[in-house]
Amino acid sequence: GEDVEQSLFLSVREGDSSVINCTYTDSSSTYLYWYKQEPGAGLQLLTYIFSNMDMKQDQRLTVLLNKKDKHLSLRIADTQTGDSAIYFCAEGGFSGGYNKLIFGAGTRLAVHP
Amino acid sequence: DTAVSQTPKYLVTQMGNDKSIKCEQNLGHDTMYWYKQDSKKFLKIMFSYNNKELIINETVPNRFSPKSPDKAHLNLHINSLELGDSAVYFCASSPKETKRGETQYFGPGTRLLVL
Repeated sequence: GEDVEQSLFLSVREGDSSVINCTYTDSSSTYLYWYKQEPGAGLQLLTYIFSNMDMKQDQRLTVLLNKKDKHLSLRIADTQTGDSAIYFCAEGGFSGGYNKLIFGAGTRLAVHP
Repeated sequence: DTAVSQTPKYLVTQMGNDKSIKCEQNLGHDTMYWYKQDSKKFLKIMFSYNNKELIINETVPNRFSPKSPDKAHLNLHINSLELGDSAVYFCASSPKETKRGETQYFGPGTRLLVL
């Protein structure tokens, strides 16, 4: 079945790099996503990667995809207090021929001075 | 220039009541979704509509009934509210339903508290 797993918590010091990891089960997923949810707010699409790519970089964000191991990671360089949020990994799944997202439980990133 | 909007933002109600949550998208997308986020922040799809037609219905009690008057709107009506319905409900939309992995854009969420 479809499943996405993430570690629940990550604490980093301001200025350090953060790495959030995710594993998924559906090897046929075409896209994999990272969403950010700030306290009391909705989901914001941060970035996504197509399954035929190994890496995607977007300013401070680097996404690495190991398709063989079904492992996705999000690296945030120079982490700031404003990066404190919950980060959701999601795979683009299918249900009856139609698109749906399967989310992980979210990783709570805490950035401290 | 809000892309996906939901009303109300907060909803506090008594057990047994019937309530509706509304969602609208001005992105011209064909597909809309309802997700439920529980108290542990776990996010799971409930329904998906493509151009007013129901295409995904996950295991959701039939007290929940989505309605799509047009492809820009997807409302969620909940009958006989229960304590366990307390959650944040997110609406989302995407351009096409059949293109695998199409990016979904989320609304701000409706925080429902059933007392």
